[in-house]
Amino acid sequence: DAGVIQSPRHEVTEMGQEVTLRCKPISGHNSLFWYRQTMMRGLELLIYFNNNVPIDDSGMPEDRFSAKMPNASFSTLKIQPSEPRDSAVYFCASKTTLARGRLETQYFGPGTRLLVL
Amino acid sequence: GQNIDQPTEMTATEGAIVQINCTYQTSGFNGLFWYQQHAGEAPTFLSYNVLDGLEEKGRFSSFLSRSKGYSYLLLKELQMKDSASYLCACMDSNYQLIWGAGTKLIIKP
Repeated sequence: DAGVIQSPRHEVTEMGQEVTLRCKPISGHNSLFWYRQTMMRGLELLIYFNNNVPIDDSGMPEDRFSAKMPNASFSTLKIQPSEPRDSAVYFCASKTTLARGRLETQYFGPGTRLLVL
Repeated sequence: GQNIDQPTEMTATEGAIVQINCTYQTSGFNGLFWYQQHAGEAPTFLSYNVLDGLEEKGRFSSFLSRSKGYSYLLLKELQMKDSASYLCACMDSNYQLIWGAGTKLIIKP
């Protein structure tokens, strides 16, 4: 299994530009999570999907952030317009909800390191 | 409210044993996870506990006491490659993970 795939791995952009992060979850997983990690705030859940439907987006910082999951194998996180305070590592994770307990382990992608100048 | 507490940083010596504690308060409980995260990398799954007691996996063990809202991760025979952050996360009644801030473990020769 290829694991969770994210692209790009690194992104440097200027303030005001649109940024799109992409994620392909593990095949067969039906839940997908977008996280942001910074030194100051640690790992923060932004939004998660079950069966392609957004369930909880209360962690999305503001309207500049949006996420979509058009199908079971692809999701995007978009920031428009980007600001320097958005600089962070953005992780995508997936898991199955078809069984409980240990099988609900979340598996993380390698992350996208975003720097907004 | 929901809260996970773990020490910010710990230092240990190569070959020694270290215990990383985690206390939690969550609305409901459906298990506790420990993840390891090396600098610049993604978190990776280490262990899962849902019943009281000790789960051993090689050099790593994880303990849970549900009545005390307490868990620890025990690392034996420390190696330099164990230098990483260790994240404690609880699954609440909605099966959502509540994450701790992580403990940075520094291993010295």
